[in-house]
Amino acid sequence: TQLLEQSPQFLSIQEGENLTVYCNSSSVFSSLQWYRQEPGEGPVLLVTVVTGGEVKKLKRLTFQFGDARKDSSLHITAAQPGDTGLYLCAGLPRFSGTYKYIFGTGTRLKVLA
Amino acid sequence: NAGVTQTPKFQVLKTGQSMTLQCAQDMNHNSMYWYRQDPGMGLRLIYYSASEGTTDKGEVPNGYNVSRLNKREFSLRLESAAPSQTSVYFCASISGRRAGSSYEQYFGPGTRLTVT
Repeated sequence: TQLLEQSPQFLSIQEGENLTVYCNSSSVFSSLQWYRQEPGEGPVLLVTVVTGGEVKKLKRLTFQFGDARKDSSLHITAAQPGDTGLYLCAGLPRFSGTYKYIFGTGTRLKVLA
Repeated sequence: NAGVTQTPKFQVLKTGQSMTLQCAQDMNHNSMYWYRQDPGMGLRLIYYSASEGTTDKGEVPNGYNVSRLNKREFSLRLESAAPSQTSVYFCASISGRRAGSSYEQYFGPGTRLTVT
């Protein structure tokens, strides 16, 4: 059962535009991570958020964890072709007692030059 | 320091054949994972190993077996491959660098498996 829904599933934008990707669930997570995956490679961690309402910035990327720790968003300002890739959120269910992560369905971003 | 390595990178099997996917990490991590990735489904956990000698089922374990040979190696076996197992398989391990209540997962490059 997939507990993390990402939207949109696909996004194609022009260089310089802004975009937001959403990761939503009805479950509570103790932490949430965002990964980026390039074609033919494994995902690479971008950020981890652990506190409800937390905001983290990584250059032009802004990540937010919802107050109730059920959702998260990734905002990219002035997108560049190098931002192209598959973005995945991954949550650690609260009180799971293990390190079994739940991954979102993914958002495939293409930034056109 | 190679990180997480997986072999083979590509494999084509006929229905009913068996094979083992190999994974090794050289980062002294305790926990290791096997995921499969299908279009529109993100990554789904097949099996998880918290430490050497222990394994636990994930979301989609049917048709697979695993073996945690030692701290470094975690293999995934398909005893009788089926077309539904056509997928990209990723192995991952957890770092010891803690960020709050979570750990960074390091992923291998993946194995692309096709079952005909």
